[in-house]
Amino acid sequence: QSVLTQPPSASGTPGQRVIISCSGSTSNIGSNYVYWYQQLPGSAPKLLISMNNQRPSGVPDRFSGSRSGTSASLAISGLQSEDEADYSCAAWDDSLDDVLFGGGTRLTVL
Amino acid sequence: EVQLLESGGNLVQPGGSLRLSCVASGFTFSNYVMGWVRQAPGRGLEWVSSLGGGPSSPYYARSVKGRFTISRDDSDNTLHLQMNSLRADDTARYYCVKVGGTRNARFDPWGQGTLVTVSS
Repeated sequence: QSVLTQPPSASGTPGQRVIISCSGSTSNIGSNYVYWYQQLPGSAPKLLISMNNQRPSGVPDRFSGSRSGTSASLAISGLQSEDEADYSCAAWDDSLDDVLFGGGTRLTVL
Repeated sequence: EVQLLESGGNLVQPGGSLRLSCVASGFTFSNYVMGWVRQAPGRGLEWVSSLGGGPSSPYYARSVKGRFTISRDDSDNTLHLQMNSLRADDTARYYCVKVGGTRNARFDPWGQGTLVTVSS
């Protein structure tokens, strides 16, 4: 059972903008950085967004992250077929002394 | 180039034990917190444990505390996960990760993972 809540699925057509949400609480997203991970089919996860909104080197600027209060979101603009993957948010939780992941959102490019 | 290479995954019976290893290269291993994240088949990601270099306290997910032990050998750049009292719900691919710090959810990079199957 994930304490960070994500929609299980999202979809869009090539070129569209898609937003994936991640909802938490004051002890996790509300007080710690949010990270986003992309997992392509059959591959290990990869860090996509760091510290709420920072793109690691090599990540296209089509990907952006934001945080507001106890929620965070990942936006993908100019959707491409190779963006079809699972996307997961994560944050440290001060109350549980645990890293929490969202359940993951499967993005389909129609 | 930073590389993480896991080994040790296998089929084990419920109640059994297994030791995973991860050999790291391409960075100064002793300077970084290292950890394990797992993914059950068809499920989401779950953090398991993290440990810093030198004398530092480990962190464990509640689901494995008391059963799993994380350790490291900074002299040969190796991270270990000793898993005891294994249960069916421990079945997962276990990824070795370089962690952004203690109490931190930044995992970069990830190894390719090693598969642990707990079944009779």
